[in-house]
Amino acid sequence: DAKTTQPPSMDCAEGRAANLPCNHSTISGNEYVYWYRQIHSQGPQYIIHGLKNNETNEMASLIITEDRKSSTLILPHATLRDTAVYYCIVRERAGTASKLTFGTGTRLQVTL
Amino acid sequence: KAGVTQTPRYLIKTRGQQVTLSCSPISGHRSVSWYQQTPGQGLQFLFEYFSETQRNKGNFPGRFSGRQFSNSRSEMNVSTLELGDSALYLCASSLGPALAGELFFGEGSRLTVL
Repeated sequence: DAKTTQPPSMDCAEGRAANLPCNHSTISGNEYVYWYRQIHSQGPQYIIHGLKNNETNEMASLIITEDRKSSTLILPHATLRDTAVYYCIVRERAGTASKLTFGTGTRLQVTL
Repeated sequence: KAGVTQTPRYLIKTRGQQVTLSCSPISGHRSVSWYQQTPGQGLQFLFEYFSETQRNKGNFPGRFSGRQFSNSRSEMNVSTLELGDSALYLCASSLGPALAGELFFGEGSRLTVL
């Protein structure tokens, strides 16, 4: 299984940028990196995904290194509502089938 | 539009019983995948269905099974329940196969096995 490694927890002051790192050194060339977050007691919520280029949407930016072995999710102006567990996931493909392997994630605490 | 609906939200069973969980995907979505979440193991992939066919399966024993109907609704079944099956079971739907693009998760079914 393709593995991702994330720090178990991070703190961020409200209004500041939150930079969440992820290591995925065994990623293959056609495997995408996905980010989801889970707020307590809710189902995970999609944030963003990418293959090799940096991506940005209304929620966040995804920066993928040139060798694709790591990535960083950036929440540009964190708010208290961004407090959640953030999962970095590699979508593994085997033929026409795929699976998502969630790691233990990073618990982001946004504080006043 | 309505989100992913999972029923029941909470249930309690005893060891040895079986349980069936239901998932109604977002209208138009044809892929449904299932996940087990526990404090010790985190979120683990169970299986994915697309067009009534199981496309992939995670590393779970045969007691865990599922199916998908022609209207894309899906059910998963766990037979001969064990204490370790206590978990939050999540399903997610997406438009196309192979878990590509955005997955939309339901709120989950919380199973307690006594």
